Amino acid sequence: TQLLEQSPQFLSIQEGENLTVYCNSSSVFSSLQWYRQEPGEGPVLLVTVVTGGEVKKLKRLTFQFGDARKDSSLHITAAQTGDTGLYLCADTTGTASKLTFGTGTRLQVTL
Amino acid sequence: DAGITQSPRHKVTETGTPVTLRCHQTENHRYMYWYRQDPGHGLRLIHYSYGVKDTDKGEVSDGYSVSRSKTEDFLLTLESATSSQTSVYFCAIAGSGDGYTFGSGTRLTVV
Repeated sequence: TQLLEQSPQFLSIQEGENLTVYCNSSSVFSSLQWYRQEPGEGPVLLVTVVTGGEVKKLKRLTFQFGDARKDSSLHITAAQTGDTGLYLCADTTGTASKLTFGTGTRLQVTL
Repeated sequence: DAGITQSPRHKVTETGTPVTLRCHQTENHRYMYWYRQDPGHGLRLIHYSYGVKDTDKGEVSDGYSVSRSKTEDFLLTLESATSSQTSVYFCAIAGSGDGYTFGSGTRLTVV
């Protein structure tokens, strides 16, 4: 059974700071996805990365996929209060596009 | 036009009673999933569907059943609710090769 470990579990920073969160897998990722979940809502897909060494940018968010496809990082530049939420990584498991999720990093950005 | 809706949003029920949660999609996606989200455990797959009348178990399926009689609707039934089933339940949909789109969740409390 694949295990996805995310770190840190909690992160509290001030607006304008930079941060990085990590996702590590016990086995090679098939297709890694990052989601953000705001309180009271379902997770929302941010990005999908497939190729080892891949880097994707989404405005102030930079996603990196390790060369060995067993780790990934999400870097946020100049965090804003709107970035507050639970960040989840997930990997496709088996058939029917099933996803296995990490337990997430809870980010709090304050003024 | 959310594409996916869950009902009800909140429910309180008594131990031993049956409960049915509904997920409705307008995207005509093949795959539908039910997850539960609990502190310390993240999102765990309960059941999933890969077509009308085609369903299968996830990692935490005990005490739950599902049905999918139409492409649009995926029902999750707790046969006899227990306190351990107090959780937030999310439905998700996916097309081939896509990430998930989640509903807004149902907060279920079993007293």
